[in-house]
Amino acid sequence: DAKTTQPPSMDCAEGRAANLPCNHSTISGNEYVYWYRQIHSQGPQYIIHGLKNNETNEMASLIITEDRKSSTLILPHATLRDTAVYYCIVRVALPINNAGNMLTFGGGTRLMVKP
Amino acid sequence: GAGVSQTPSNKVTEKGKYVELRCDPISGHTALYWYRQSLGQGPEFLIYFQGTGAADDSGLPNDRFFAVRPEGSVSTLKIQRTERGDSAVYLCASSSYSGEQFFGPGTRLTVL
Repeated sequence: DAKTTQPPSMDCAEGRAANLPCNHSTISGNEYVYWYRQIHSQGPQYIIHGLKNNETNEMASLIITEDRKSSTLILPHATLRDTAVYYCIVRVALPINNAGNMLTFGGGTRLMVKP
Repeated sequence: GAGVSQTPSNKVTEKGKYVELRCDPISGHTALYWYRQSLGQGPEFLIYFQGTGAADDSGLPNDRFFAVRPEGSVSTLKIQRTERGDSAVYLCASSSYSGEQFFGPGTRLTVL
């Protein structure tokens, strides 16, 4: 799976948009961009994923550049509960043969939402 | 519905002891993963089950680590002769064959 690069930490004011960048310059054509987050003392939680089109769900929006070498996760109105470590992961969507589709986590971005 | 559950939530043991960590996946999920997370780092893959069989155990650090899933549902991660370096949070995740992984809250293992 392709490697990703994220800033180690970011701050955001409560109520403002949080924009979390991720670089994945070696992404392959069949690899998707996934975002998970991990709130303190909890397991990681799936947020969103996409291939090349922008995606939006009830939690966030994902903007992927046209060359697919980078993406941005957007939390439109950050709250204190959004304080967490955010992981950007690239991988194929479906397992190949009977192989697992494990997630390869990097260091992530520690987002601190401040009042 | 019920999510992934893991027991115990905390386990303190002494160096050299044997421990078992349990994972109850979401009902109907055929895939089950174990990860290990050391302080300040992202989770690292240990082993993957598709049904009852361990399809990929390439992440297990050594032969002191073993996991089973005898009926294709509950899984147990077993660590023999524990060492202080085994201290970490052990996370379990389950998914349908092509779906997203849902994680449990983890078991915090402390080896004294």
